[in-house]
Formats: sequence, structure tokens, C-alpha cells
Amino acid sequence: SQQGEEDPQALSIQEGENATMNCSYKTSINNLQWYRQNSGRGLVHLILIRSNEREKHSGRLRVTLDTSKKSSSLLITASRAADTASYFCATHGSGNTGKLIFGQGTTLQVKP
Amino acid sequence: DTAVSQTPKYLVTQMGNDKSIKCEQNLGHDTMYWYKQDSKKFLKIMFSYNNKELIINETVPNRFSPKSPDKAHLNLHINSLELGDSAVYFCASSQDLGSNQPQHFGDGTRLSIL
Repeated sequence: SQQGEEDPQALSIQEGENATMNCSYKTSINNLQWYRQNSGRGLVHLILIRSNEREKHSGRLRVTLDTSKKSSSLLITASRAADTASYFCATHGSGNTGKLIFGQGTTLQVKP
Repeated sequence: DTAVSQTPKYLVTQMGNDKSIKCEQNLGHDTMYWYKQDSKKFLKIMFSYNNKELIINETVPNRFSPKSPDKAHLNLHINSLELGDSAVYFCASSQDLGSNQPQHFGDGTRLSIL
């Protein structure tokens, strides 16, 4: 089964509200990454959190990592319509191959 | 300037045809990738190349043949296209194979097989 599964699959909120997305993974990791994909576009890297970090911030983004539960969450605060996109977590496969294993993603809709 | 560019953006063709997708990155990265995203947005790696050398082939049928003429380019040729090949194909690059490297993606090639 795949690594990096996310919930919810879809999330709809009003502008100004916070959005939280969760990701679970199965094997040990060095780090976990989050990406955003706007409709019809490629993935854009948002943030990387290392396995020895518990929380990381970048602007309105807050990422947490719980390696004991093999889970991570992405919180977007004060959401904007422009945050409407799909969000994916990703971890690296074993070996030095560069291979990223993506979750199914959470589709976020922010209504103006 | 676009960091990772792939062409064409859309590709509509018939079953059995052969087609190619081109990818170029101007980031000076050593490593490039091809990913396939299905209709449910599931993204799966196909190939990774480092300095023009194949690193992984993720059980991709041999109808798919990547070619890297130099480390800034990774093209994908597909022979005898099948209905199941319909998907969005993304090219990506990273500085190197290290696990702490973010990957930079192109905007995808939407392949539709009639």
C-alpha cells in the first residue's frame, strides 16, 4: 500500500477560516514535504520538515510532524480564495533515488 | 523564465500511435524525474535520472523510453499508446538525489488516448 495517505480528501471552507489537512505514512523518514497543486498546473514545494523537528512555520503555513504516530498536518491560517488547490504530502522512498512517494492529496476549496 | 518546461501541454492521439514529450530545466539541477498523475490525482514516479544516468525505473512498461541527452533535458517517448496511458505526465527536477531536496515540477502534459 502507498505511503503518505491524507485526509480529508476534500475540504471546503470560507475565506478567513483555517484549513487543516492530515497525512499519515508507513515507514521511517528523514523528512516530509508538502506540495500544492493549482488546477491545471504542476506541484509547487511548500515546506519540508525534518524528522527531528516537531513543528515548522512558513508565513501562514504551519506544519507539524509526529514521528511516533507517523503523521503530519498542514495548517493554513486565515485562508484566501487563492489557497484553493490540492495539497499533497510526500516522503522519500528507500535508497538514494530521489523518489518521492505522494499521498492522494486533499482538495481544498476556499469560498470568497 | 520557466524553471521546468515541458511540451506539449496537451496531446490527443489514437491508440497504437507513438508520441514524445520533451522536458527541459534551467535550474542547473543534476536530477530529473517523470511522474504520472491519474484521473484521481494519484501521482506516481516513473523514472529518475541523475547526470543523464537512469537511477530508477519504477516498473514502467518498456513502451516508455526516457532519454536524457544532457542533464538539463529528459524526454519521454511512448510507443504503441494504450487507453490506460491517458493521464497527466509531469517532469520534475531537483538539485541532486538527496532526500532533503525539494522537487520542481513542470506544468504537465495532458495525454488523451482516443
